[in-house]
Amino acid sequence: SQQGEEDPQALSIQEGENATMNCSYKTSINNLQWYRQNSGRGLVHLILIRSNEREKHSGRLRVTLDTSKKSSSLLITASRAADTASYFCATDALSTDKLIFGTGTRLQVFP
Amino acid sequence: NAGVMQNPRHLVRRRGQEARLRCSPVKGHSHVYWYRQLPEEGLKFMVYLQKENIIDESGMPKERFSAEFPKEGPSILRIQQVVRGDSAAYFCASSPGQRMETQYFGPGTRLLVL
Repeated sequence: SQQGEEDPQALSIQEGENATMNCSYKTSINNLQWYRQNSGRGLVHLILIRSNEREKHSGRLRVTLDTSKKSSSLLITASRAADTASYFCATDALSTDKLIFGTGTRLQVFP
Repeated sequence: NAGVMQNPRHLVRRRGQEARLRCSPVKGHSHVYWYRQLPEEGLKFMVYLQKENIIDESGMPKERFSAEFPKEGPSILRIQQVVRGDSAAYFCASSPGQRMETQYFGPGTRLLVL
């Protein structure tokens, strides 16, 4: 299977804490993206990091990429109850247009 | 400035019936992708279409499933003779061109086969 994996599968934290999710993938990539999905809803694009980048920030989000280990991490700082959702990484393998999604991390932030 | 629209949002079918899922891409986008999400899983690529062409259908089941993106009108994902295992959320995404970095996702159609 080409699908990547994310860990942890589920994460429960208190508001104000930081949440870290990891993603591993299998093929060489052009870029890696993170998406959020609220229960029963569509996907919302959060951030994209290119294969020649190592770290990227967007608001309370920090993404790292290690192409030698084929892994990425998403850090959400100062989490809020509204951050409760599933988070997916997605890669686009070289020379393709399709996105390959990880299995997702289900984040629960308690107020 | 409408995003990707999908309808219906929820669809219930009995085994053996046909399911038709529609996707209207972002205005001006000519590339459409369909993904399927089984409960508690990530999305899996099904098919990539441009206007009037199927570019990559490597994720489509060989039987019962078909997709089109006509010159006019929405993209259609058609599932014939549905079975219970087809129950899933089907998401459409669009992009303005090839090798575009970001795909814009619709809200999905949740298909339930009884």
